[in-house]
Amino acid sequence: NAGVTQTPKFQVLKTGQSMTLQCAQDMNHNSMYWYRQDPGMGLRLIYYSASEGTTDKGEVPNGYNVSRLNKREFSLRLESAAPSQTSVYFCASSGPMNTEAFFGQGTRLTVV
Amino acid sequence: GNSVTQMEGPVTLSEEAFLTINCTYTATGYPSLFWYVQYPGEGLQLLLKATKADDKGSNKGFEATYRKETTSFHLEKGSVQVSDSAVYFCAPMDTGRRALTFGSGTRLQVQP
Repeated sequence: NAGVTQTPKFQVLKTGQSMTLQCAQDMNHNSMYWYRQDPGMGLRLIYYSASEGTTDKGEVPNGYNVSRLNKREFSLRLESAAPSQTSVYFCASSGPMNTEAFFGQGTRLTVV
Repeated sequence: GNSVTQMEGPVTLSEEAFLTINCTYTATGYPSLFWYVQYPGEGLQLLLKATKADDKGSNKGFEATYRKETTSFHLEKGSVQVSDSAVYFCAPMDTGRRALTFGSGTRLQVQP
């Protein structure tokens, strides 16, 4: 049972480059999320998707776009990377209300 | 939206000591409450949860009680082990977004 799978695990970008972080879950969950984790700040919600075909902004959406490609996959795109986007990115998914969210292993992104 | 205040770390304890990590939150309504744990280099894992007032969540010797009156969800363990060294996150569920709001995390270091 793979759970939530993120790719890549590590990435270094130059300022201005673009890239897409991939996330897939195999638990048939409706809801999926992208968070970023920065030292001393916990995890902050970037975007979320309550169901296939819908996406909404979280706390820190600026500089990011997302696509809910199908029920399994939820990608995060950086169109023009900036050093302030250096962070660890986590994808998560959850089922019915009040049930836990399952997290991927994270993508460590460095923008130089 | 929700907000969470956790005690700052690191918390350093000797093996078999008693642990308390304080967590208070502000939220609309009565959200489900979660504690997640992050071991070095890994993603987040659910530690325990409580879905309504006065519920007690428990797992692996850890406990937390949903206190509606004080909007708190403090984490406790009677006897910590070196293997409990990790970062602990308190997280109420945002009932509107159905997404978790995380505190800044508390790093626990247990010494032999």
